[in-house]
Amino acid sequence: ESVVTQSPLSLPVTPGEPAAIYCRSSQSLLQINGYNSLDWYLQKPGQSPQLLIHSGSIRASGVPDRFSGSGSGTDFTLKISRVEAEDVGIYYCMQALQTRTFGQGTKVEI
Amino acid sequence: QVQLQESGPRLVKPSETLSLTCTVSGGSISGYYWSWIRQPPGKTLEHIGYIYSTGSAHYNPSLVSRVSMSVDTSNNRFSVRLSSATAADTAIYYCVRHQNSGTYPIDHWGPGTLVTVSS
Repeated sequence: ESVVTQSPLSLPVTPGEPAAIYCRSSQSLLQINGYNSLDWYLQKPGQSPQLLIHSGSIRASGVPDRFSGSGSGTDFTLKISRVEAEDVGIYYCMQALQTRTFGQGTKVEI
Repeated sequence: QVQLQESGPRLVKPSETLSLTCTVSGGSISGYYWSWIRQPPGKTLEHIGYIYSTGSAHYNPSLVSRVSMSVDTSNNRFSVRLSSATAADTAIYYCVRHQNSGTYPIDHWGPGTLVTVSS
């Protein structure tokens, strides 16, 4: 079972400034079809998680373009180009192999 | 718009079986993968397992001896049963749908239901 490790676990941010969250997998998530089996989710306070990025770098429908995902194999990054107040919450990376596993979560607060 | 809703007992006694059902509305259950995911208070998310609309299932190896899932296509719902419940099974339980492409990301989540295991 692949383990995913996120950093940092807490991220104070300033509106208008960029932010980045890192995720490392214990095994390569690069599939033979070229996709990386790595998704990013945001759980806003009191809500269910919502999909931001899938396949390592593909923005989900309706997600603002200030969010971007990059990386391949074992190392991935989620970037927010300019943080907005509505971006607070806990961000999770999730490896999408057979049994999904989630990172510990990164709490983003202003 | 697809919506998912979890239902079932909120309080389960230790050693009993935890059972939940997810009812899907606004779309068909057929042709998709569906999962159960749980989140103990203050902790990260844990994937319990997934089931395809034909009934083929895969369970988390850490839970495989206690978990089973089923699907009821005629009523557009799917279920999970977790036997021999303990306090460690206390969590918010989410039912989710996987998108039908690529790495099958989770594109729809239910609101979640808190299940407490306690005597």
